[in-house]
Amino acid sequence: GAGVSQSPSNKVTEKGKDVELRCDPISGHTALYWYRQSLGQGLEFLIYFQGNSAPDKSGLPSDRFSAERTGGSVSTLTIQRTQQEDSAVYLCASSFSVEAFFGQGTRLTVV
Amino acid sequence: ELKVEQNPLFLSMQEGKNYTIYCNYSTTSDRLYWYRQDPGKSLESLFVLLSNGAVKQEGRLMASLDTKARLSTLHITAAVHDLSATYFCAGNAGGTSYGKLTFGQGTILTVHP
Repeated sequence: GAGVSQSPSNKVTEKGKDVELRCDPISGHTALYWYRQSLGQGLEFLIYFQGNSAPDKSGLPSDRFSAERTGGSVSTLTIQRTQQEDSAVYLCASSFSVEAFFGQGTRLTVV
Repeated sequence: ELKVEQNPLFLSMQEGKNYTIYCNYSTTSDRLYWYRQDPGKSLESLFVLLSNGAVKQEGRLMASLDTKARLSTLHITAAVHDLSATYFCAGNAGGTSYGKLTFGQGTILTVHP
């Protein structure tokens, strides 16, 4: 596709449930990033994948958060046992060189 | 650890006026980025500044980078309503992880008649 695609665009889940968020990067982009945007914390880096290298997980807030990238393309961010403080917009970005392009985001609401 | 601070956080401008948004960062950043975000939308890349003294312009927006002062500016010339949005600057700690960015708090710009 022409841009970074994320699904679903909105997700409402009950506290304690697991959720999976999907990101389809721009074709040919070797790097993929997840960010979280919330009113209280602004834009926070979560995790970064580059090619076949081990991911940089330094931004993951807790062990309830994990992500994988299959075949160097699509990525899934999983949040286990969701909490209300996980409510935010989760943004995915991909890059090939110096510029990162962001998807539309998934708005997660934990009730 | 790289920290990025923007000011002002809120900016209300009249159409036709000029103003500057400032972005300070705490440690060496190889690159400095400016993004625009409209309400409910994603981040749109505006500028990528790669070296000291870099200046880039697009329409009524001009961005510059002073790595010695650890300062980037986004200058708005003759503002129009369409420029109303939130503007973020972001720094990058270097290496090839180009998209691993530390963002400022964002500046909410409102342009009114």
